[in-house]
Amino acid sequence: DAKTTQPTSMDCAEGRAANLPCNHSTISGNEYVYWYRQIHSQGPQYIIHGLKNNETNEMASLIITEDRKSSTLILPHATLRDTAVYYCIPQEGNEKLTFGTGTRLTIIP
Amino acid sequence: DAGVIQSPRHEVTEMGQEVTLRCKPISGHNSLFWYRQTMMRGLELLIYFNNNVPIDDSGMPEDRFSAKMPNASFSTLKIQPSEPRDSAVYFCASRTSGGGTDTQYFGPGTRLTVL
Repeated sequence: DAKTTQPTSMDCAEGRAANLPCNHSTISGNEYVYWYRQIHSQGPQYIIHGLKNNETNEMASLIITEDRKSSTLILPHATLRDTAVYYCIPQEGNEKLTFGTGTRLTIIP
Repeated sequence: DAGVIQSPRHEVTEMGQEVTLRCKPISGHNSLFWYRQTMMRGLELLIYFNNNVPIDDSGMPEDRFSAKMPNASFSTLKIQPSEPRDSAVYFCASRTSGGGTDTQYFGPGTRLTVL
């Protein structure tokens, strides 16, 4: 499995875009990049995933660099409910997810 | 859809007692996962099933832990005997296999405290 590096913590002002980086320089060609988040006292929640192209859904956008060695999760208009730990997880096919320590994102009013 | 259902939500027990955690996956999902989360070790995969068959139990801490999936709609994680170091939040997750991608849906967790 590819190793990931994420900032331990980040702050973002409410209403602004939150940009969460992830380095996964050892990612293999078949590994997708998954993003999950865990709000306090809840189970992890799937956000988005991608392989090569940028992706967007109702929750977030995912920007993957051309060399696939890093990606950025973008929450376009952060709200207080987006305060959570965000996990970036490279994963291939139906293999198991391996959660790291993630980034603790705090949205500031 | 009710999502993944776990019971109980909270369990307090004494060392040496047997503990059984229960999970009902999302209908139609054919993979089920049990995770444990502690402050020290983060979120760890204990075991997962595909089509009710255990595929990887390498994360199960020791013989005191056992998991079963008798049918597609129910799974249990049992700890016997329980110890204080088993205190953690235990999550169950399910997904649909196939298609080359993995999106897991997690339950709300069971907070276990072993005194």
